[in-house]
Amino acid sequence: NAGVMQNPRHLVRRRGQEARLRCSPMKGHSHVYWYRQLPEEGLKFMVYLQKENIIDESGMPKERFSAEFPKEGPSILRIQQVVRGDSAAYFCASSPQSNEQFFGPGTRLTVL
Amino acid sequence: AQSVAQPEDQVNVAEGNPLTVKCTYSVSGNPYLFWYVQYPNRGLQFLLKYITGDNLVKGSYGFEAEFNKSQTSFHLKKPSALVSDSALYFCAVRSEAGTALIFGKGTTLSVSS
Repeated sequence: NAGVMQNPRHLVRRRGQEARLRCSPMKGHSHVYWYRQLPEEGLKFMVYLQKENIIDESGMPKERFSAEFPKEGPSILRIQQVVRGDSAAYFCASSPQSNEQFFGPGTRLTVL
Repeated sequence: AQSVAQPEDQVNVAEGNPLTVKCTYSVSGNPYLFWYVQYPNRGLQFLLKYITGDNLVKGSYGFEAEFNKSQTSFHLKKPSALVSDSALYFCAVRSEAGTALIFGKGTTLSVSS
């Protein structure tokens, strides 16, 4: 029973490039959450998705960031035109329903 | 607004001694409370949760936490610390009607041998 999978684990991008972060939830889980962890800080909620629907995106920056969770395949967090301030660890979590969340290992994004 | 406070950036204890990592919260309505642990360059691992019922919750690796409604606290405890318990601990809360977890800034636990 595999846990939440995220890839890549490490991603390096130059300013202005696009970053795509992927998250495969645990089997049977239809709820996906994305969080961002900046250095020396706790995790901050970004977006909550169910299959094909964005339920709550109150934590997403208004520009350059988008997320999807298609009917088939992993959830994708997309950051366009990355800037140095986007450097962080991005964690995905999944749950079978809106309760306990299980976290993936994270993707560490470095913007040069 | 919902919030979580972990007043200590770091807690140092000797192996074999009891440990407490503090957490207080603010949320509308009934709180759902969680503790997670993070090891270096790893994701968060679930330790325990309080939803309803007994105020003393037992979790993984011998950890427990006590929900105190009047003090709006959910402190993490362990009777006898191990060196392998050294890690970063996060308290989190969400409201009964909410979805996103609100995390504290984390407390680094250091257990010395």
